[in-house]
Formats: sequence, C-alpha cells, structure tokens
Amino acid sequence: DQQVKQNSPSLSVQEGRISILNCDYTNSMFDYFLWYKKYPAEGPTFLISISSIKDKNEDGRFTVFLNKSAKHLSLHIVPSQPGDSAVYFCAASKYNAGNNRKLIWGLGTSLAVNP
Amino acid sequence: GAVVSQHPSRVICKSGTSVKIECRSLDFQATTMFWYRQFPKQSLMLMATSNEGSKATYEQGVEKDKFLINHASLTLSTLTVTSAHPEDSSFYICSAPRTGLAKNIQYFGAGTRLSVL
Repeated sequence: DQQVKQNSPSLSVQEGRISILNCDYTNSMFDYFLWYKKYPAEGPTFLISISSIKDKNEDGRFTVFLNKSAKHLSLHIVPSQPGDSAVYFCAASKYNAGNNRKLIWGLGTSLAVNP
Repeated sequence: GAVVSQHPSRVICKSGTSVKIECRSLDFQATTMFWYRQFPKQSLMLMATSNEGSKATYEQGVEKDKFLINHASLTLSTLTVTSAHPEDSSFYICSAPRTGLAKNIQYFGAGTRLSVL
C-alpha cells in the first residue's frame, strides 16, 4: 500500500523553465512533508519541507505547495538548472507509537534538465 | 558539509560472511537513527529505528537476527548484515534527525552499496 505516490517516474525540462514535481498521499494523519534530492550512489539530501498548517513554503528557486483537501503537494523549481538533474523524493511524516517520527517515501521522480 | 557519515561506501563480500556498516552523526548527538534499504528502481524502505540505550525497533518483515543493530553511543549506530546472501545485495542508507533545528528533518549518510557474491 503506497501511502505516498509520485506518479511520474521521470520528467524532462529545458534549462530556465519551470520544473513541477507532483506528489499525492493517502493518509490524512501526515502532518509534515519533505522533498529530498538524490544523486546516484549518494544518500538523499534535504531540499525543502512544509508543515500541514501551511499551504506554501519558498526557499530560493524552490517552492513547495500543499493542498490538504486534495492530499497533494508539488515542488516547483524555477528557473531549472542542469545541476538540478537528480531523483526527487517526496516524503511524508507522522508521529508513530512511542512518539517517534518516521518518513514514508514516494518512489521518486527523475528530473532531467536539458541545457 | 556532511552531517552524517556512513562507512564503508561499498562492500563486496562472499556469501555467508557478515558485514558491518557504521553510521555516525557529526557534531550533533542522535538518540535515534534510521536504517533504510533501497532496491533498484524502488523507493527507500525503512528497515529499523536504532535507539540509543535500548533495542532497535524493526519494521514488519525485517529479520532482527539477520540485521543486527547496535546504537553504541549518541553518535554511532551500526548495522550488521549477518550471514549475507546474494539477495541481501542492496543499497543501505542511514539517517539521523537533527533535533534543535527543524526537528522533522532527517540527514542521510552517503549510503553503502553491498554486493554479496
């Protein structure tokens, strides 16, 4: 049961244009969402996050939008740069038994930014 | 710079041997660390939560005796794959939440590529 879904396995964008990566979730108990970027043979790197009490968070070229009613979030990268080419993972977080938090991950979207 | 160090980055071993992977938090203490596994073209799957001073919490379907976790100190957790077999070949990644800052953010090691022959 995939609680966090990234339905687009890949995305190709021209340099300078906007990249939009989408993520859907099913569990309404999730209260924190994160985007990670991952290069091959490396661990994921934290990119940006958003709390469920907000609908937008912006950090430089990266903006995350959250639509709670639709259980959907998206990551916008503008302008896209070739160095943004990587796999982007969406992750959702909720409290677990024992007051721990665990991340539930999507399958990732491979972004290619073409010069 | 890296805030979580994972070692080794790559291991090739014979079937039946045990492999130890270390995960260290750099310049911060981590009472909890997480161990993940990633198969090709699949997402990160949480294997277990490593707890300093107590037993690890394993996810459903993960064999405790196969994947031994020891959280030896506030900055070190180890994962030992015992009697490794080819089906254990995978990419193993650890992470640690850095409390005090944005507490829900986990910082990841660079991962360990395990190949069992």
